[in-house]
Amino acid sequence: SAVISQKPSRDICQRGTSLTIQCQVDSQVTMMFWYRQQPGQSLTLIATANQGSEATYESGFVIDKFPISRPNLTFSTLTVSNMSPEDSSIYLCSVRDQLTSNEKLFFGSGTQLSVL
Amino acid sequence: AQSVTQPDIHITVSEGASLELRCNYSYGATPYLFWYVQSPGQGLQLLLKYFSGDTLVQGIKGFEAEFKRSQSSFNLRKPSVHWSDAAEYFCAVGWTGGGNKLTFGTGTQLKVEL
Repeated sequence: SAVISQKPSRDICQRGTSLTIQCQVDSQVTMMFWYRQQPGQSLTLIATANQGSEATYESGFVIDKFPISRPNLTFSTLTVSNMSPEDSSIYLCSVRDQLTSNEKLFFGSGTQLSVL
Repeated sequence: AQSVTQPDIHITVSEGASLELRCNYSYGATPYLFWYVQSPGQGLQLLLKYFSGDTLVQGIKGFEAEFKRSQSSFNLRKPSVHWSDAAEYFCAVGWTGGGNKLTFGTGTQLKVEL
């Protein structure tokens, strides 16, 4: 199983600023995913990040607001830009089990973001 | 489009009692079904999954779930709950051709009374 480290674990930010969340995996993975969990809501997929190509964003999410980097097979970042209180959420990084094709996902511990 | 419903937002059970968390999905074909648990301050951990075959699947920590196609359900059960099971539980569905995307339910918060 993959071990995923996410930093920071939590942060409190001012409106209008940006925060970059890092996701480090202990093994090489092709696809990495970024999810958002708003208070009282379920997880929503923001985007899929493949190494060597542009991230693919889900409906309702745009690159200008959530730029993603994927410089290599073990690392990715998600930036939450020009933050507003509505961006207060838990952001989770996840990767797929590379050893099987059974859609198994592993998740990081998440980043708790509060925007004032 | 596929969707997942977890009708119970909060559930409270006594330690040692049995537990059943409900999950219903909407999808035209046979889905891939998952249950994840999220403890406070932790990431999501996979409890169990169903892809095909035996409709009763066993997972970690003594959990099991049964896929019932006729009811479009995948309820999670545990015969005897421990205080450490207090957490939030998410049901999720994937599907053939969906790549690695999962659709999650809104979660059920489990409280265990001692």
